[in-house]
Amino acid sequence: DTAVSQTPKYLVTQMGNDKSIKCEQNLGHDTMYWYKQDSKKFLKIMFSYNNKELIINETVPNRFSPKSPDKAHLNLHINSLELGDSAVYFCASSQPSVYGYTFGSGTRLTVV
Amino acid sequence: KNEVEQSPQNLTAQEGEFITINCSYSVGISALHWLQQHPGGGIVSLFMLSSGKKKHGRLIATINIQEKHSSLHITASHPRDSAVYICAAPMYSGGGADGLTFGKGTHLIIQP
Repeated sequence: DTAVSQTPKYLVTQMGNDKSIKCEQNLGHDTMYWYKQDSKKFLKIMFSYNNKELIINETVPNRFSPKSPDKAHLNLHINSLELGDSAVYFCASSQPSVYGYTFGSGTRLTVV
Repeated sequence: KNEVEQSPQNLTAQEGEFITINCSYSVGISALHWLQQHPGGGIVSLFMLSSGKKKHGRLIATINIQEKHSSLHITASHPRDSAVYICAAPMYSGGGADGLTFGKGTHLIIQP
């Protein structure tokens, strides 16, 4: 049973399209995150949600909209995709009082 | 906001060598994380530590909270240890749901 699962694993799409990435965790953690890893492998936080409430929105263009229907799910919707959005997107979850993190396997997004 | 510096960025060593990767951060924190990422792979949490030392197999992580410094050591290194090792700290000193800020990673290659 995968602890943090995200789909799809690969996503190739044209500029201007809208796409979504889904993430689900079965760990019972209160907090979920989206991180972006650029072509130089540098990781940066995009969003964090705690119990469905947005906590961090780290200077991400508003073409990116996270949605958390419940504390086990955090989806990422991206409008009007641009070439610069090509990256690997990682979902993660944690329990703040414990601070341990579990990452999903990543979604490699390629915008052509 | 915390800033994390990691060194070296690249490290090539022979099998069996003792490996040290260093990490420093700017804001006092409650816990620091060491992560591992294999080529094309997901991110695995190796250690979360708030004081002293932790050991898991051939991996040892140490932290000096006063000096805001941590090290990751690998004893008797093996080619399967080849990966990117990433140091990460809470974005803000409070931690919680704020998410992590990451070092640029150390690309380790162990040659047989």
